[in-house]
Amino acid sequence: GENVEQHPSTLSVQEGDSAVIKCTYSDSASNYFPWYKQELGKRPQLIIDIRSNVGEKKDQRIAVTLNKTAKHFSLHITETQPEDSAVYFCAASPSGGSNYKLTFGKGTLLTVNP
Amino acid sequence: GAVVSQHPSWVICKSGTSVKIECRSLDFQATTMFWYRQFPKQSLMLMATSNEGSKATYEQGVEKDKFLINHASLTLSTLTVTSAHPEDSSFYICSAPGGHGYTFGSGTRLTVV
Repeated sequence: GENVEQHPSTLSVQEGDSAVIKCTYSDSASNYFPWYKQELGKRPQLIIDIRSNVGEKKDQRIAVTLNKTAKHFSLHITETQPEDSAVYFCAASPSGGSNYKLTFGKGTLLTVNP
Repeated sequence: GAVVSQHPSWVICKSGTSVKIECRSLDFQATTMFWYRQFPKQSLMLMATSNEGSKATYEQGVEKDKFLINHASLTLSTLTVTSAHPEDSSFYICSAPGGHGYTFGSGTRLTVV
């Protein structure tokens, strides 16, 4: 089955700096890669996703890049703000929004210091 | 957009009793529901996949007789934790394909005392 590795497990940055979280996956059949932000005790919130026919996607301060050959994808947050502090999870699936399961990485605790 | 309503949001039960968690898709039909468990400071681990009208598929290491899953309709899937023990205390969350990708319930915090 799919295995998703995520690094780093914790990340502390100063407000205004950029944050980068990296993930690798093992199953070449995976072609949907969402990123979730989870606050304590809450459900994961989709912040951005990318499909394997696209190499990069950007939404304001958030961007995701995908290297399908190397089987890795990364989340980039620019101009970080204290409200960006949360746990971020990457995930992979053979097909987004379908009956295929999502496999999650172990998560990254991001702390943005004012 | 697609919404999955999950109840209860939190529950405290005595050791040895059973607890039922419900997930309802409110504005779409969920033929599949994924059930995850999340321990503190850990990731979401898939427990099982329920499919409407058929038996659930359990992940390796998950006891199907302890975690009973029923998906009797296109809008309702339930997870029953039977004979709960303190080690079953966790955050349980459901997810259905729908909307943009996957839609998550709000989660259930189960505490077994």
